[in-house]
Amino acid sequence: GAVVSQHPSWVICKSGTSVKIECRSLDFQATTMFWYRQFPKQSLMLMATSNEGSKATYEQGVEKDKFLINHASLTLSTLTVTSAHPEDSSFYICSARDMENEKLFFGSGTQLSVL
Amino acid sequence: AQSVSQHNHHVILSEAASLELGCNYSYGGTVNLFWYVQYPGQHLQLLLKYFSGDPLVKGIKGFEAEFIKSKFSFNLRKPSVQWSDTAEYFCAVNALNTDKLIFGTGTRLQVFP
Repeated sequence: GAVVSQHPSWVICKSGTSVKIECRSLDFQATTMFWYRQFPKQSLMLMATSNEGSKATYEQGVEKDKFLINHASLTLSTLTVTSAHPEDSSFYICSARDMENEKLFFGSGTQLSVL
Repeated sequence: AQSVSQHNHHVILSEAASLELGCNYSYGGTVNLFWYVQYPGQHLQLLLKYFSGDPLVKGIKGFEAEFIKSKFSFNLRKPSVQWSDTAEYFCAVNALNTDKLIFGTGTRLQVFP
């Protein structure tokens, strides 16, 4: 089946640094990718919709200058957490929509811990 | 705003027991409904989905879910669970004409042999 690769799966960083998370669709093309975050014991919350070749659409309350999204190709979207702080520690998951059949596939997630 | 409620946060069962996980959503319009499963250390995977038609949906691995429109519910069921069903289960709703999936908080299922 279709695979979405998310990297890294786990990252620890110091407060104030930036962290980039990659989301790749390995065997299909995706004009649309989604970024979610999940706090412990809470729901997956949609952060933004990433559109290839155009600006991402952010959900209410998500700081676009803090969570930079780039969807430069049909197989890659990146989320950069800029100037990370401990409150950004969370589990981030991406998903990609297959252009051909509209199916949605999820990455394995990235656990971000900011010290 | 749309929301999804999963009332069972943690369920512990013995093998061969029957399973029902509750899912209720709040949205007045037409929706698509999903159950996703995440096995330990693995990706989120689609278990089953409802778009239209027969409200009783069969999914993979013996799971099924029933859409009851009047109750805004989409409960997941399995007559006899196995140890390999140990996982986190997420209900999700997608209002038509949007790309957004709204997830419930998930239910952690532990099955003991």
